[in-house]
Amino acid sequence: DGGITQSPKYLFRKEGQNVTLSCEQNLNHDAMYWYRQDPGQGLRLIYYSQIVNDFQKGDIAEGYSVSREKKESFPLTVTSAQKNPTAFYLCASSKAGGGTDTQYFGPGTRLTVL
Amino acid sequence: GENVEQHPSTLSVQEGDSAVIKCTYSDSASNYFPWYKQELGKRPQLIIDIRSNVGEKKDQRIAVTLNKTAKHFSLHITETQPEDSAVYFCAASGSGGYNKLIFGAGTRLAVHP
Repeated sequence: DGGITQSPKYLFRKEGQNVTLSCEQNLNHDAMYWYRQDPGQGLRLIYYSQIVNDFQKGDIAEGYSVSREKKESFPLTVTSAQKNPTAFYLCASSKAGGGTDTQYFGPGTRLTVL
Repeated sequence: GENVEQHPSTLSVQEGDSAVIKCTYSDSASNYFPWYKQELGKRPQLIIDIRSNVGEKKDQRIAVTLNKTAKHFSLHITETQPEDSAVYFCAASGSGGYNKLIFGAGTRLAVHP
C-alpha cells in the first residue's frame, strides 16, 4: 500500500469553494476508487474508475466529480454542491477485473469545512 | 440493496483472550470477503481475505470463516495483544461486473493489558 499517495493530508475549505484532492499510485493498477469515511461509519463509495478515461458513480456521488486522464492519477473534486463535505477521504486502487482483486488504500485526506 | 451488517460495534477483551467479529451480507452473488484493520487516523490495511470456494482461512493468530448458505462470515483473533486494538471492517464484493466492495460499519476492538 506504500505505492498510493494522497495529498494534502489535511485540507480546510470555506463554504462555497471547490477543492481537489490528489491521489497517485505507482502500482500499475487499472482500477481506482474514492471512498468517504464519517466517524463511526464504514466506507462509502463515491466514484470508481476501471480504466483510463472512464469512471462511474458510486453510492454517494452527488456533489463530487472526478477525472482519470492518466493511469496513475485519480483526483477528486469536492464541489460547493456537496452540503456536508467534512469527512476523511480515502483513495484505493486494485489490479481490476474479476471482482476479487485486493484494494489497497492511500493514507487519506481529512477535509474540514470552516 | 446490497448491505453488510457487522457486529458488535465495540468489543473489549483482556489481553490473551479471543475476539470474534461477525458480518452478514445480503448479495448471494458475493464471492470475495476481505477484512481490514484501521488504526486511528491511518489507512485501512488488509489483514486477511477469503473467497467463496473456501470455508476457512488462517494466518497465524487470525482466522476467517465463511458460511455461504447463511451468508455470514466471521473474523477470529486468538491470543489478543494490545497492538490488536483498532477498528476492523469487513467487506463483501458487490455484483455488477466491477470490483466493488460493500463495507460493514466497523468494530472498535480494545485489548486491555
